[in-house]
Amino acid sequence: DAGVIQSPRHEVTEMGQEVTLRCKPISGHNSLFWYRQTMMRGLELLIYFNNNVPIDDSGMPEDRFSAKMPNASFSTLKIQPSEPRDSAVYFCASSLSGTAKNIQYFGAGTRLSVL
Amino acid sequence: GENVEQHPSTLSVQEGDSAVIKCTYSDSASNYFPWYKQELGKRPQLIIDIRSNVGEKKDQRIAVTLNKTAKHFSLHITETQPEDSAVYFCAASPSGNTPLVFGKGTRLSVIA
Repeated sequence: DAGVIQSPRHEVTEMGQEVTLRCKPISGHNSLFWYRQTMMRGLELLIYFNNNVPIDDSGMPEDRFSAKMPNASFSTLKIQPSEPRDSAVYFCASSLSGTAKNIQYFGAGTRLSVL
Repeated sequence: GENVEQHPSTLSVQEGDSAVIKCTYSDSASNYFPWYKQELGKRPQLIIDIRSNVGEKKDQRIAVTLNKTAKHFSLHITETQPEDSAVYFCAASPSGNTPLVFGKGTRLSVIA
């Protein structure tokens, strides 16, 4: 298994532009998580899905952020319009929830720079 | 909801010494406690975990202890090596259907 796959690995964009981050979870996993990591705030959970349904999006900072999971093998995190303070590393993780061990496996992350 | 506190935020040790990182949690229903290691520029990766029916677990140079009564758990690294330098995150989960709640992380530096 290739693990959780994220694309792109790096994204540089200008303020005001739309940014779309992509994630392919591990096959068979039924939960997917989007995190943002910065030096100041650490790892923040933005939103998570169970069986493709958004369960908790209370971590999404603003209406500029949106996430979708149209099927079990794909999710997107969109920022529109982007701002410099959105610069961070965005991680996607997946797990097989409902089991005794709720192990989350992380993707390699997308490093976003908004100029 | 669950809240996880992690200390210290930074830790420097001499190579060969031991390192201890401590976490507390608030939800007594939490029953799964993993530890993740994140090397510079890399993804967080699971290094060891413990469930609430176990008090201690070891894997070579690393061990985790859990005190359910006090609601705290700790990571112990013995005979530290430079490659142990990384950020370590603790986490807690009340059930298999809820996401992990992470601590803020501890930056460990092992000085050769």
